[in-house]
Amino acid sequence: DQQVKQNSPSLSVQEGRISILNCDYTNSMFDYFLWYKKYPAEGPTFLISISSIKDKNEDGRFTVFLNKSAKHLSLHIVPSQPGDSAVYFCAAMYSGGGADGLTFGKGTHLIIQP
Amino acid sequence: DAGITQSPRYKITETGRQVTLMCHQTWSHSYMFWYRQDLGHGLRLIYYSAAADITDKGEVPDGYVVSRSKTENFPLTLESATRSQTSVYFCASSDSPLSGYGYTFGSGTRLTVV
Repeated sequence: DQQVKQNSPSLSVQEGRISILNCDYTNSMFDYFLWYKKYPAEGPTFLISISSIKDKNEDGRFTVFLNKSAKHLSLHIVPSQPGDSAVYFCAAMYSGGGADGLTFGKGTHLIIQP
Repeated sequence: DAGITQSPRYKITETGRQVTLMCHQTWSHSYMFWYRQDLGHGLRLIYYSAAADITDKGEVPDGYVVSRSKTENFPLTLESATRSQTSVYFCASSDSPLSGYGYTFGSGTRLTVV
């Protein structure tokens, strides 16, 4: 049973436009949500996170929105730049659980077109 | 160099052979993790360790063995490699995995079992 779902394997966006990456989860115990970015031949790098007590968190061009009632979060990148082309993983965790609790989605490959 | 390093970067081995993937971190993080990344599956946890001499199974531990005699090292051993273990393996570390600040990943080892 997949607890964290990224239903779009890939997304193509024009440079300068907004990129919106979506993530759904099923476990209502999750209370932290994270986004990782991964370039080819490199490890994932932490991008931004949000606690379940918030519905929005911003960091520069990156904003994550959380809709707890819908069990849905999204990552907005504005404006999109060529260097944003990467695979983005959504991850979720329950802070009261064990250290093995970080569950990843399958990833979305974002392609920024010039 | 400071950080988390994995070796080797690439490895080809034969079915039935034993192979060890190395992971070394210089931050003295308490927690270390091994993930595998496969197309269609995202990142899946193999084993993790909360401290030296403390290890626990993750989602997909079968066929793997870990040890952690020193805080900075967390080797992953495939006792008898199978083709299904062809994957990209990522090691990660964290000082506080339940804080929502994420893990730091190494650059990965691409393992091919022929």
